[in-house]
Amino acid sequence: EPEVTQTPSHQVTQMGQEVILRCVPISNHLYFYWYRQILGQKVEFLVSFYNNEISEKSEIFDDQFSVERPDGSNFTLKIRSTKLEDSAMYFCASSDRSSYNEQFFGPGTRLTVL
Amino acid sequence: LAKTTQPISMDSYEGQEVNITCSHNNIATNDYITWYQQFPSQGPRFIIQGYKTKVTNEVASLFIPADRKSSTLSLPRVSLSDTAVYYCLVGPTGGFKTIFGAGTRLFVKA
Repeated sequence: EPEVTQTPSHQVTQMGQEVILRCVPISNHLYFYWYRQILGQKVEFLVSFYNNEISEKSEIFDDQFSVERPDGSNFTLKIRSTKLEDSAMYFCASSDRSSYNEQFFGPGTRLTVL
Repeated sequence: LAKTTQPISMDSYEGQEVNITCSHNNIATNDYITWYQQFPSQGPRFIIQGYKTKVTNEVASLFIPADRKSSTLSLPRVSLSDTAVYYCLVGPTGGFKTIFGAGTRLFVKA
């Protein structure tokens, strides 16, 4: 069964450093998403991406965040200058139809900012 | 996007049927109701989606009354492995922003 993969599974970084979280969505999917989940809290939408551009973003997704689909398979989330409060689990998801249709989530990357 | 309200937590025993109700009073005409399951340290997993009446798949059933202001996820004969957080989401399938609420933490006991 096809699945979304994410690397790394755990990333530790120093405050102020740049991090890139990587995702490989399911191959025939057209819609891509990033979410974050701070420990013990709910899943928060960050951004959706379709047709090589951002479709929608939340207020969390400020200028420190960017997304890219550099080739036909990868989908990345970059945090330019990490803050302590960026420590969270980051989930990538993909779907073959938009938003409230079934999304397939990856296993997540746990980001720890020291 | 419609606001959803679910119980914060529920307890059950193995082998019982569990019903989790979600309220969504301001659901719009083009909104669908979608349920996800999340285990600790894993991404959410789609369970079921519906628009009205009843939908059933191999995992669960979803009951939606005629006014669509609430919905009930029914899990038949739960096992310990069904211990998870269950999220009710309401929104249009054509949109791009997906909002998760706080979810219902289901704890299944032996």
